[in-house]
Amino acid sequence: EEQLVESGGGLVQPGGSLRLSCEASGFSLSSYAMSWVRQAPGKGLEWVSGISGRGGSTFYADSVQGRFTISRDNSKKTLYLQMNSLTVEETAVYYCAKGMVANGERDAFDIWGQGTMVTVSS
Amino acid sequence: AIQMTQSPSSLSASVGDRVIITCRASQGIRNDLGWYQQKPGKAPNLLIYAASSLQSGVPSRFSGSGSGTDFTLTISSLQPEDFATYYCLQDYNYPLTFGQGTKLEIK
Repeated sequence: EEQLVESGGGLVQPGGSLRLSCEASGFSLSSYAMSWVRQAPGKGLEWVSGISGRGGSTFYADSVQGRFTISRDNSKKTLYLQMNSLTVEETAVYYCAKGMVANGERDAFDIWGQGTMVTVSS
Repeated sequence: AIQMTQSPSSLSASVGDRVIITCRASQGIRNDLGWYQQKPGKAPNLLIYAASSLQSGVPSRFSGSGSGTDFTLTISSLQPEDFATYYCLQDYNYPLTFGQGTKLEIK
């Protein structure tokens, strides 16, 4: 069974950093496009960052460009999101999600993690 | 970035009703659009991909159509478990963008 499990969320002060992890099982992490999506309390879904399945190109929303870094360690079957210079407005549940098609650059997300809560507050 | 305009933002309907939700893209996205259902406290769940393909395990009362800029999600006969929030997502290019969501409530 394909599964994603996020971890690393928590309370961080404004301007602080946090690294989220997403452990994959049941499929080869290196073969699929992966993304991070967040949802602020009571708000809609916002795509944050993605990494392609083939070649590992990385992509970011304008709002996080230069502050967030997506990466993956295929040997550990883990996707990461390094978040720096966090703001209060980035308080949200952060989900990792898997693209449907092997070796795709981007596509629909067929598997989602349960989410990890990030709270940015002083 | 491509903007996805979803409507309506909320909708009240009854069990058995037929419901249509629309998404419009600010530029052509071929058929690179998916529809997701999200229930409170849960991760989104893929219903439709490539605009009209039903994801495995999703009931056939859900259907999608459209290409280019205009897309629809139709629920043919609402069931109690369908009351949730629905989102469209374009995966034509990065940055990927979601619609604002449609909250489907019981009338």
